[in-house]
Amino acid sequence: EDQVTQSPEALRLQEGESSSLNCSYTVSGLRGLFWYRQDPGKGPEFLFTLYSAGEEKEKERLKATLTKKESFLHITAPKPEDSATYLCAVYNTDKLIFGTGTRLQVFP
Amino acid sequence: SAVISQKPSRDICQRGTSLTIQCQVDSQVTMMFWYRQQPGQSLTLIATANQGSEATYESGFVIDKFPISRPNLTFSTLTVSNMSPEDSSIYLCSVRVSGANVLTFGAGSRLTVL
Repeated sequence: EDQVTQSPEALRLQEGESSSLNCSYTVSGLRGLFWYRQDPGKGPEFLFTLYSAGEEKEKERLKATLTKKESFLHITAPKPEDSATYLCAVYNTDKLIFGTGTRLQVFP
Repeated sequence: SAVISQKPSRDICQRGTSLTIQCQVDSQVTMMFWYRQQPGQSLTLIATANQGSEATYESGFVIDKFPISRPNLTFSTLTVSNMSPEDSSIYLCSVRVSGANVLTFGAGSRLTVL
């Protein structure tokens, strides 16, 4: 069965304290791994798509990497405005399967 | 990317009643998707709505409980029928950006069933 597991469930960081979020997946036919950001009261906002092992993408303080079994979202020197829930999803043959997310809080 | 408007943004409903959620997109899209996000749970796909055909429901979701309409390429509705407290959730409309697998989401409709 296709599955996406994210860890940790919640993460509290001091401003400037870098860290990584993990997304482990099992899927029969991966057609992309997606990272989304979700703020309270809003729908998920697209961040990155990764398609093959070894691929990396960056956006401001965020960097996403992909292996054959997992993806990491690295957050470098985070700021309070990076506080949100980060969702990972995999696309198999016909639909997106989401993890439960990591709730990130960054304190000044 | 597409801009999606959902109504209502939130509502409090009584057990046994039904509520219809509207999803309006600012451009024509072939496929629209309805997701449910229960507290502490991942987003779960309810159904895919294609214009001009019956919606395709995922395992565990049935048309009698979640009827969907898709009258044109920019609009869809999801009805949550005969609601119970277990239906309390956020319901999200999404569309696929043309030529890619990226989904754009609406802000969601937060339902609380008493």
